[in-house]
Amino acid sequence: GAGVSQSPRYKVAKRGQDVALRCDPISGHVSLFWYQQALGQGPEFLTYFQNEAQLDKSGLPSDRFFAERPEGSVSTLKIQRTQQEDSAVYLCASSWQGSNQPQHFGDGTRLSIL
Amino acid sequence: AQSVTQLDSQVPVFEEAPVELRCNYSSSVSVYLFWYVQYPNQGLQLLLKYLSGSTLVKGINGFEAEFNKSQTSFHLRKPSVHISDTAEYFCAVSAASGTYKYIFGTGTRLKVLA
Repeated sequence: GAGVSQSPRYKVAKRGQDVALRCDPISGHVSLFWYQQALGQGPEFLTYFQNEAQLDKSGLPSDRFFAERPEGSVSTLKIQRTQQEDSAVYLCASSWQGSNQPQHFGDGTRLSIL
Repeated sequence: AQSVTQLDSQVPVFEEAPVELRCNYSSSVSVYLFWYVQYPNQGLQLLLKYLSGSTLVKGINGFEAEFNKSQTSFHLRKPSVHISDTAEYFCAVSAASGTYKYIFGTGTRLKVLA
């Protein structure tokens, strides 16, 4: 079946602009995660949804970052008033419910802030 | 809280030689452990996971890993590497209960030489 789909694959924005990144999880996956991967680093956790409920947003770096999953499927990560330090690859992952269920990752969105 | 240390940032190895990529973790609770591979401009692909039971775990592409609780390690091994194994490898840990987020190491770049 189809894997996790993220769009756009690449996004270039000027500093101060707002951006929205989309994630289509694997059908039926209850859990959805967002991670931020800086160049040469491992992914870092941003936020976690179980269905439409955002259960953990402890990794969001500032109040400029906002994520939603209103119908428990597609999720959007929004960054307001972007800054250069927001440049990174944003990875979305989904899984069946349960901490022993492996996460399946999309190919990511590479965000570059000029 | 959990943490992961991948001591080797880069590992060069000749084709058909064996390789070991090291991963050590820290946690005050029971954990699940994972190894993922990332090819350029792609997301993360699950190689193998340790949940419980046998400490020797076999994964895809001929990789295996051994969970060592006393040494808090989960090293990845392959007896004979191929050029196509050249990629970035990430070790990750998650708590066995509670939040399902992964904590990743900083990655090890495996470069297979002809």
